[in-house]
Amino acid sequence: EIVMTQSPATLSVSPGERATLSCRASQSVSSNLAWYQQKPGQAPRLLIYGASTRATGFPARFSGSGSGTEFTLTISSLQSEDFAVYYCQQYNNWPTFGQGTKVEIK
Amino acid sequence: EVQLVESGGGLVKPGGSLRLSCAASGFTFNDYSMNWVRQAPGKGLEWVSSISSTSASIYYVDSVKGRFTISRDNAKNSLYLQMNSLRAEDTAVYYCARVQGSMVRGVIRYYYDYWGQGTLVTVSS
Repeated sequence: EIVMTQSPATLSVSPGERATLSCRASQSVSSNLAWYQQKPGQAPRLLIYGASTRATGFPARFSGSGSGTEFTLTISSLQSEDFAVYYCQQYNNWPTFGQGTKVEIK
Repeated sequence: EVQLVESGGGLVKPGGSLRLSCAASGFTFNDYSMNWVRQAPGKGLEWVSSISSTSASIYYVDSVKGRFTISRDNAKNSLYLQMNSLRAEDTAVYYCARVQGSMVRGVIRYYYDYWGQGTLVTVSS
């Protein structure tokens, strides 16, 4: 099983600031990496796939990068609607998820 | 508009059974593999089971093998999860999810572009 480790567990950011979330895989997953956004009481929503391709409906302030074992999700200027939990998921092998990073208001 | 609507969750005693359903609309259901993914209260996401578009390929996470059965009815645009011998550790919100990706040499390489709202399964005496 490929273990996905996200850091930090919680990120406190002021609106308008930049947020950088990290995801590390225990072995290479190439670019087979997705990010999801989950708000309280809601289902996850696909945000990024292929490590860097934004899904429909998400603005350009969201960007993904990385390959192999190290990945980053960047939110360039946090808006109120971006405060949520973000999960990474690898799909180079049987799908596994990170434990999530909660982005909260500072 | 793609919609996935789960039902069938509830409170069940350890050792009991439940059958979850997921009604799909807004896309050609029989073109897609479908998965169940669960989330224990306050925890992260865990892939549970996968079924291909024709039901020819079915997979489970080790912890549910022999207890859970995934199935689908393409004529009814519906996905199911029969859960038997339930344990406390099965307590979770269960999501059905539409698959994107591929299967390579018997290994699923899937991510999920649409999710249902989830149905809560609570296993407790």
